[in-house]
Amino acid sequence: SYVLTQPPSVSVAPGKTARITCEGDKIGSYSVHWYQQKPGQAPVMVVYYLDRPSGIPDRFSGSNSGNTATLTITRVEAGDEADYYCQVWDSGDDHWVFGGGTKMTVL
Amino acid sequence: EVQLVESGGDLLQPGGSLRLSCATSGFSFSGYGMTWVRQSPGKGLEWVSSISENGADTFYADSVKGRFTISRDKSKNTVYLQMNSLRAEETAIYYCAKNHQGVQSPFDSWGQGTLITVSP
Repeated sequence: SYVLTQPPSVSVAPGKTARITCEGDKIGSYSVHWYQQKPGQAPVMVVYYLDRPSGIPDRFSGSNSGNTATLTITRVEAGDEADYYCQVWDSGDDHWVFGGGTKMTVL
Repeated sequence: EVQLVESGGDLLQPGGSLRLSCATSGFSFSGYGMTWVRQSPGKGLEWVSSISENGADTFYADSVKGRFTISRDKSKNTVYLQMNSLRAEETAIYYCAKNHQGVQSPFDSWGQGTLITVSP
């Protein structure tokens, strides 16, 4: 089964750029989606197919190549502090796969 | 406005059964895949099951295949998850989510979740 690996945590200062990686075998050939989850809340999709849903700030963007997909958050704000999850559809198994999640702390 | 409201969460013993419901509104129910995702306390997201727009195709995580059944009722705009032979490690918040289009598309709306506790 397909495995997605994320760093458990990242820390970033306000106003700086955060990059959260998601590693998987040849992940560049997959469509990768990203979710934000704040404590006590349901997840929210922040990037899908390298695009942003309506209402998501353009500070959020995704990239994907080779064995690494990246969620980039520019001009980080305190309100961006959350857990972030990457996700792909594994067509080989007809399964959805989530990464283990990354806790982003805003210093 | 899209709304997804889960219900049916409960405290039950290992081996027990439960049916979750997800009542939806604000979109054309028959035009979208629907999905269940769970999250154990302090853990990450785990996909559980998805169902196609017309209900003809269903998909399950290996961990629940043969024990869980997903279904949908277009007359009630509701999706269900029948769970049998529940295990303690399946204690989690169960979220209902709407696929962006078909089951292979990501989850653009989520409910607030319903808690299932499996304990002796």
